[in-house]
Amino acid sequence: SQTIHQWPATLVQPVGSPLSLECTVEGTSNPNLYWYRQAAGRGLQLLFYSVGIGQISSEVPQNLSASRPQDRQFILSSKKLLLSDSGFYLCAWCGTAFPQETQYFGPGTRLLVL
Amino acid sequence: AQSVAQPEDQVNVAEGNPLTVKCTYSVSGNPYLFWYVQYPNRGLQFLLKYITGDNLVKGSYGFEAEFNKSQTSFHLKKPSALVSDSALYFCAVRDSTKAAGNKLTFGGGTRVLVKP
Repeated sequence: SQTIHQWPATLVQPVGSPLSLECTVEGTSNPNLYWYRQAAGRGLQLLFYSVGIGQISSEVPQNLSASRPQDRQFILSSKKLLLSDSGFYLCAWCGTAFPQETQYFGPGTRLLVL
Repeated sequence: AQSVAQPEDQVNVAEGNPLTVKCTYSVSGNPYLFWYVQYPNRGLQFLLKYITGDNLVKGSYGFEAEFNKSQTSFHLKKPSALVSDSALYFCAVRDSTKAAGNKLTFGGGTRVLVKP
C-alpha cells in the first residue's frame, strides 16, 4: 500500500532563516505531487505541483520554492522566511491513471515563524 | 475556471441526528467531486468521490454524498452523527476536461460539531 511521509512535524524558525520541508511517498511510481498551505485551520492554497522529476509548476508567486530531485521526493524551500510563511503545510500525491485519481495527503508540517 | 462553495462555516448537530454538509460547485465540463475530513493538526483524509455512475456515493465511516447535476451540488450526509465526527470537512472539485496536474479546487471548509 502507499504511504506518504512529511517531516518535520513541527518547526519553529526565526524570520530570515532558511526552510526545507520534505515529503516522500512509498509504494507507487511516478506520482503527481502537491504542496498546499493551510492558514488559520481553514482553506487550502495550492502552492506547487509536480508531474515528474525536475518538473515544478508554481501556483502562487511567493517567497517559497519547490524541487523534486527524485521520483517520490518533494521538497519545499525558502531562502529567507517571512512571518507570513507561518502555517500548516500539507503534501499530497495522486496516481496518474487518468481520470479517476484521488489526492492523498500527508500528516502535515506546522511551521511557526517568529 | 472551477470553484467550490461550502456555504456554512459551521454545522452543529446533536449526536444521533442526521448530518448534512453542503457543497456546490462550478466547472466548465463534467465534474469530479471529492470529500475530505480533517481532524485537528492532521492531514486531510479522503472520504468519498464521484466520478461517474450512480449519483449516490457511499464512503468511509458511514458517510455518503449525492451528486445533483441540475443543482450543481454534492452534499455530504450521514444518517446518524457521532461525537467523533466532529471535524473540518472539505469539498473539492476537478474539471474532467482539465488534465494538467489533476489539480483540485477546495472549498473553504465546514466545521462540524456534534454534541452529545
